[in-house]
Amino acid sequence: NAGVMQNPRHLVRRRGQEARLRCSPMKGHSHVYWYRQLPEEGLKFMVYLQKENIIDESGMPKERFSAEFPKEGPSILRIQQVVRGDSAAYFCASSLAGGTGANVLTFGAGSRLTVL
Amino acid sequence: TQLLEQSPQFLSIQEGENLTVYCNSSSVFSSLQWYRQEPGEGPVLLVTVVTGGEVKKLKRLTFQFGDARKDSSLHITAAQPGDTGLYLCAGRGNTGKLIFGQGTTLQVKP
Repeated sequence: NAGVMQNPRHLVRRRGQEARLRCSPMKGHSHVYWYRQLPEEGLKFMVYLQKENIIDESGMPKERFSAEFPKEGPSILRIQQVVRGDSAAYFCASSLAGGTGANVLTFGAGSRLTVL
Repeated sequence: TQLLEQSPQFLSIQEGENLTVYCNSSSVFSSLQWYRQEPGEGPVLLVTVVTGGEVKKLKRLTFQFGDARKDSSLHITAAQPGDTGLYLCAGRGNTGKLIFGQGTTLQVKP
């Protein structure tokens, strides 16, 4: 049973280009979370999705960033017109169920975006 | 806004020493989790504490959840170089998302 799969692991983009990061959750998991991390810092919540629905996007910048988790296929985090400040590691996590309590999140290995 | 503050941010110690990492909040959390992250990898769950006052042990690691469920600590006994990494506490927020502290970078020198 494969874990959370993220691709690409490394992505280099020039300013103004688009970045698309993909996340395939663990088999059977219908809840996906995206986080962003700068070097030697904690993870900053971006968005929480359940199949075809955005549950909480309070951490998403209002412009240029979007996320989706379609009925079929992986979750996609899309960053349009990237700027140097978007350079970071982006982590995806999935869980079997959402809500409160001690439900376990399993993290992927991350996608490292570098904007030149 | 629910926030978690971790201290210290950086810790460099010699092999064999003991250490404690703290995770504090002004908010109550239904549960707190501790993760360890190595360079180039995602965080890996170490433990979940749910009940106020709960103490859990994982070999040389001892985790405690405060009575009021607003704080937690991680104590490592006789640290080893293999313990080196970024330690993160996280609490479950109102909508189900995990809220992370800023992390503690631990370096254990042989």
